[in-house]
Amino acid sequence: QVQLVQSGAEVKKPEASVKVSCKASGYTFTAHYMYWVRQAPGQGLEWMGRINPNSGGTNYAQKFQGRVTMTRDTSISTVYLEMSRLRSDDTAVYFCTRGRIEDGFDPWGQGTLVTVSS
Amino acid sequence: QTVVTQEPSFSVSPGGTVTLTCGFTSGSVSTSDYPSWYQQTPGQAPRTLIYSTNIRSSGVPDRFSGSILGNKAALTITGAQADDESDYYCVLYMGSGISVFGGGTKLTVL
Repeated sequence: QVQLVQSGAEVKKPEASVKVSCKASGYTFTAHYMYWVRQAPGQGLEWMGRINPNSGGTNYAQKFQGRVTMTRDTSISTVYLEMSRLRSDDTAVYFCTRGRIEDGFDPWGQGTLVTVSS
Repeated sequence: QTVVTQEPSFSVSPGGTVTLTCGFTSGSVSTSDYPSWYQQTPGQAPRTLIYSTNIRSSGVPDRFSGSILGNKAALTITGAQADDESDYYCVLYMGSGISVFGGGTKLTVL
């Protein structure tokens, strides 16, 4: 079955960087975009961006431009989300999810909690 | 800047019908915006309910349906059940590879 497994929780200090991974299995990795969505405590879902695992091409929400980088390693069917210059309001659960515009987002990874605290 | 809007909260009686909506602050939603809907309970990853306006995801009961109503996307729950009490989020495609989530609707069944 299609499955997305994310890396474990992270605790970072302000101004540090974090890199979260998402390993895909059960389908052709390069055939579907991978998206990243985050959710701050008690808040709604926020679309961050997407990566085309085939080409490596990316699209980022304007809010994250310059601070977020999405990459992939096709040899291990894994995508990465790297965020730099972390702030306390980046504390959130970060989800990866497979998708295409016309097909929505499905399935979802289990989420990775990133805590930014001094 | 165009934002995606949803009702912050809604209440429905068990067995009742409720329609949640998803719109733009400026302009109308159409099928070309590929509206999709997600259900989320606390501490869990979202679950996909509807994509491309009205296509139910695998395993989703047919009491969940999607449509365009007027100038908004809509999610209708017919015969609401207690375990439908969740947060519901819509997503709209903005073009150029960018999508945006609505702020979510907290649905209470009582």
